[in-house]
Amino acid sequence: GAVVSQHPSRVICKSGTSVKIECRSLDFQATTMFWYRQFPKQSLMLMATSNEGSKATYEQGVEKDKFLINHASLTLSTLTVTSAHPEDSSFYICSARQQGYTEAFFGQGTRLTVV
Amino acid sequence: SQQGEEDPQALSIQEGENATMNCSYKTSINNLQWYRQNSGRGLVHLILIRSNEREKHSGRLRVTLDTSKKSSSLLITASRAADTASYFCATGGSSASKIIFGSGTRLSIRP
Repeated sequence: GAVVSQHPSRVICKSGTSVKIECRSLDFQATTMFWYRQFPKQSLMLMATSNEGSKATYEQGVEKDKFLINHASLTLSTLTVTSAHPEDSSFYICSARQQGYTEAFFGQGTRLTVV
Repeated sequence: SQQGEEDPQALSIQEGENATMNCSYKTSINNLQWYRQNSGRGLVHLILIRSNEREKHSGRLRVTLDTSKKSSSLLITASRAADTASYFCATGGSSASKIIFGSGTRLSIRP
C-alpha cells in the first residue's frame, strides 16, 4: 500500500524556538495533505488542508502564522510550529491523498514536547 | 472540528468476546473509514466502506453502514489482547473534501 513518511517521530524543543515537521509521500503524488493535532486521549483534530502549490486552508481557531504549512511539491509538505510554547506540545499527524482518490494515507506522527 | 461521535467512549471486554463500536456522523459522505491507534502511535487503516455499501468484512472485522441513520458500526470478533487500542471512524466526501475523525473508542481487552 501507499506509504507516507513523517519525520521526526519525536522532538523536544525549548520554548520560543521553531520546529519543522516533514511529511513525505513515498510512492505516490500527494496533491492534498492534511495536518492533524491530537492531545492525549483525544481524537485527531484537523488543523489545515494543503493542496500542492497553493496556500493551506486552516480550520477555525488554528493560527496560520503560528502553524506554517508549505506544500511546495507533490511529495512533501512541512508544518512549522513557530515560537513554540508548552501548550503546543502534542502529537501531530499528517496524511496524504492522491488526486481523484478519496482514501488518504497517514504518517506515523510526531510527538512534540516543548519545554 | 469533528464530524461526529463514537460510542462507547471506552469499552472493556474479556478476551474472546466480541467488541462493537458505533460511529455517527453529521453530513453526507462518500465513504467511511475505520482506523486503529495504539497508544502514542500513528494510525493503522483497518477498512473503508463506501456510501453505496451496507456491510463489509475483513478478517475478524465487520463494518456496517447505514446512510439513512448516518451511522456505522465496527465489530471485532473473537477479540485478542493485541486488539487493545483506540478506534476511530473517519468520514470522507469527494476526493476534494476533508477527512474528519470521530471522537474515538478506547478498547481494552482483558486477558
